[in-house]
Amino acid sequence: GAGVSQSPSNKVTEKGKDVELRCDPISGHTALYWYRQSLGQGLEFLIYFQGNSAPDKSGLPSDRFSAERTGGSVSTLTIQRTQQEDSAVYLCASSWTSGMNNEQFFGPGTRLTVL
Amino acid sequence: GESVGLHLPTLSVQEGDNSIINCAYSNSASDYFIWYKQESGKGPQFIIDIRSNMDKRQGQRVTVLLNKTVKHLSLQIAATQPGDSAVYFCAENYNQGGKLIFGQGTELSVKP
Repeated sequence: GAGVSQSPSNKVTEKGKDVELRCDPISGHTALYWYRQSLGQGLEFLIYFQGNSAPDKSGLPSDRFSAERTGGSVSTLTIQRTQQEDSAVYLCASSWTSGMNNEQFFGPGTRLTVL
Repeated sequence: GESVGLHLPTLSVQEGDNSIINCAYSNSASDYFIWYKQESGKGPQFIIDIRSNMDKRQGQRVTVLLNKTVKHLSLQIAATQPGDSAVYFCAENYNQGGKLIFGQGTELSVKP
């Protein structure tokens, strides 16, 4: 079956512009996660959704970052007034439900470059 | 603070040898651990997991060992193959709704 998909695969933007990153989880998965991976680094948790609710937003770096999920499926991560330090690969994952023992399946990521 | 770290950033092995990748974690409350493999340009791929009530779990050519006393996790890959070349991450979860805390990663390079 189809895995997690993300779009765009690459995004180049200018400092100060807003960007939207999209994640389509595996069908039927109720939990959805956003992570950020800087060059040569591990993954940094940003936010997760259980259904349309976001119980944990603790990883969002600043109020320029926001995410929403509608219909319990697609999620959008929005970064306003982008800065160069926002450049990273943004990874989305989904799982049947949240919590331990639920394997998270990752998408290929969106590579964001802020000039 | 919370952290999951790796002892070795790079590991180079000969094809056919066994590989051992290590990871240290700091949160004694962590109850679930996962190893991921990430190939260039791709998202992480699940390899194997282990719960805190176990100290060993085996998969196909992979074994994860958990030592809670010293908060250490390791991934053993038997008969390492060129296709195993990738970056390997350990991750921990401590009952926060699935939020994973990742280590920095170890790059495994397999020489033919």
